[in-house]
Amino acid sequence: KAGVTQTPRYLIKTRGQQVTLSCSPISGHRSVSWYQQTPGQGLQFLFEYFSETQRNKGNFPGRFSGRQFSNSRSEMNVSTLELGDSALYLCASSSGRGNEKLFFGSGTQLSVL
Amino acid sequence: GDSVTQMEGPVTLSEEAFLTINCTYTATGYPSLFWYVQYPGEGLQLLLKATKADDKGSNKGFEATYRKETTSFHLEKGSVQVSDSAVYFCALSELISGSRLTFGEGTQLTVNP
Repeated sequence: KAGVTQTPRYLIKTRGQQVTLSCSPISGHRSVSWYQQTPGQGLQFLFEYFSETQRNKGNFPGRFSGRQFSNSRSEMNVSTLELGDSALYLCASSSGRGNEKLFFGSGTQLSVL
Repeated sequence: GDSVTQMEGPVTLSEEAFLTINCTYTATGYPSLFWYVQYPGEGLQLLLKATKADDKGSNKGFEATYRKETTSFHLEKGSVQVSDSAVYFCALSELISGSRLTFGEGTQLTVNP
């Protein structure tokens, strides 16, 4: 069974640009959630999508958005990039039941210059 | 809101030493508790979990017991190996529906031969 796949693995952008990250969950999983990992703030929850609907949302500004497609693949978009958006963005998938095991991808390392 | 506090790292041990990583939490309800591990260049992997008071999660020689009275979930292993070198994250989730993990800061463990 293939794991969670995130693309691209690395990204370099400049301030003001926008970026789209992609996540393909494990086959059969309907929930995809996104986390931001930085040395200063640690791991922070961005949002969760289930069956193409945003089900839970963290405390991030509106520049961070996401969506989920009918095949459960998800994309995350960050507009008007700031230096502080430099981080490892992790995607996790699960079947969607509460308090269950999450399967994480290896992440997309975003650097904003 | 919910929060998780882990002991400060980094932690450096010799092979076969005893490991304890402390974790305490604050939650409004009755959360499920998790330990995740992150190896260099990889995403997070679930190490163990516990969903109710006095439950003991265990995996690969690691153990943690859900202590409601002390709001703690300390990670222990009797004899660490070099291959255990990684970053360990304590986390909680209060959601019955969906997934939203609140993570601790992470503890870097290095095991020397």
